[in-house]
Amino acid sequence: GAVVSQHPSWVICKSGTSVKIECRSLDFQATTMFWYRQFPKQSLMLMATSNEGSKATYEQGVEKDKFLINHASLTLSTLTVTSAHPEDSSFYICSARIPGVSNQPQHFGDGTRLSIL
Amino acid sequence: RKEVEQDPGPFNVPEGATVAFNCTYSNSASQSFFWYRQDCRKEPKLLMSVYSSGNEDGRFTAQLNRASQYISLLIRDSKLSDSATYLCVVNRGYSTLTFGKGTMLLVSP
Repeated sequence: GAVVSQHPSWVICKSGTSVKIECRSLDFQATTMFWYRQFPKQSLMLMATSNEGSKATYEQGVEKDKFLINHASLTLSTLTVTSAHPEDSSFYICSARIPGVSNQPQHFGDGTRLSIL
Repeated sequence: RKEVEQDPGPFNVPEGATVAFNCTYSNSASQSFFWYRQDCRKEPKLLMSVYSSGNEDGRFTAQLNRASQYISLLIRDSKLSDSATYLCVVNRGYSTLTFGKGTMLLVSP
């Protein structure tokens, strides 16, 4: 069964809208979650590492004021794409690792397909 | 040089064929290695971890050569359901994963 739940799975919005995406760990506490973006025919690119109770760590080139991350609880991280524009249209995926075991692979949410008109 | 490089693909093979995917990584400090499978417009799903000793899971065999910084995936007796994009994934520490661009496999009847 799924260990990471992501919502919504599909969003279509007008340009200028802010969009919030939720990522929840199911049945385990995730102090760290990861947000990726994937453009068509491209690899997944890490955008940021979300840390429970502290600021997210953003990868180079990712605007932290554009992509707001909040990890307020041990089971929920949110990504808000502020004032989204067509170039933000992409597949956004979160992941988490079940803690306690080293080199444990990450589990991914179902992804959110964002289309900005 | 990209951190993780894979065969460009796509690979078109008939059912029952054996197909091999190659992957190289640039960071010699990388700690763990995985193959993920991604179906069209879906999230990646873990196929298997890759160990230095080589490991097998049914029709799938993964190999790792740390000296050459090379990873491979062999699929025997291909099924139609194997059609997907296969992602080579490297953990460069602190749970940070780096993904290859993926190699698409198309298995035809």
